Amino acid sequence: RKEVEQDPGPFNVPEGATVAFNCTYSNSASQSFFWYRQDCRKEPKLLMSVYSSGNEDGRFTAQLNRASQYISLLIRDSKLSDSATYLCVVIGLSGTYKYIFGTGTRLKVLA
Amino acid sequence: GAGVSQSPSNKVTEKGKDVELRCDPISGHTALYWYRQRLGQGLEFLIYFQGNSAPDKSGLPSDRFSAERTGESVSTLTIQRTQQEDSAVYLCASRVDFSSYEQYFGPGTRLTVT
Repeated sequence: RKEVEQDPGPFNVPEGATVAFNCTYSNSASQSFFWYRQDCRKEPKLLMSVYSSGNEDGRFTAQLNRASQYISLLIRDSKLSDSATYLCVVIGLSGTYKYIFGTGTRLKVLA
Repeated sequence: GAGVSQSPSNKVTEKGKDVELRCDPISGHTALYWYRQRLGQGLEFLIYFQGNSAPDKSGLPSDRFSAERTGESVSTLTIQRTQQEDSAVYLCASRVDFSSYEQYFGPGTRLTVT
């Protein structure tokens, strides 16, 4: 089983739609969680951290479910510019800074 | 300020040759990471440097791969006797220190082994 798993997609959604991605992780001791965005043939960039209490940044909401070992990303009112691959990232153990990346979920927002 | 830079941006090499990839992290960043990303795949951790501590080499796929970092500055990733399966984008990232988890990525080096 992979340490971090994501549905590769693609998710094709119309502009204005709400879309959600999940990511599961296998190590119950994992401490820190993030969503990165990667545009085609570009480097990844941090989108948001994921906190236990959930957090929101504009149209983006991230949630963590430790009991079921998954994190989620919700995008409301999708824009064409949201089209990208969204990477789930987990730091395995407290005190380490080794990042485990999922393979990413591809999102296409259609006009 | 300047971000993470990598060179070369593209490298085509023949199977069996050695290659050296360079990463210049953001000035003052104590942590530096190397990742490999094959076409259509996620990022694969290779190695992590933190200050003067011994690097975490647990992701290096074989002894053909090695990396060095001089202090808290430039790093080089060396691949000896390249194989076709080494073809990928090699990404470098830096992080300021233990106060932040945010990594800043360079644009990557696209390596093609023919």
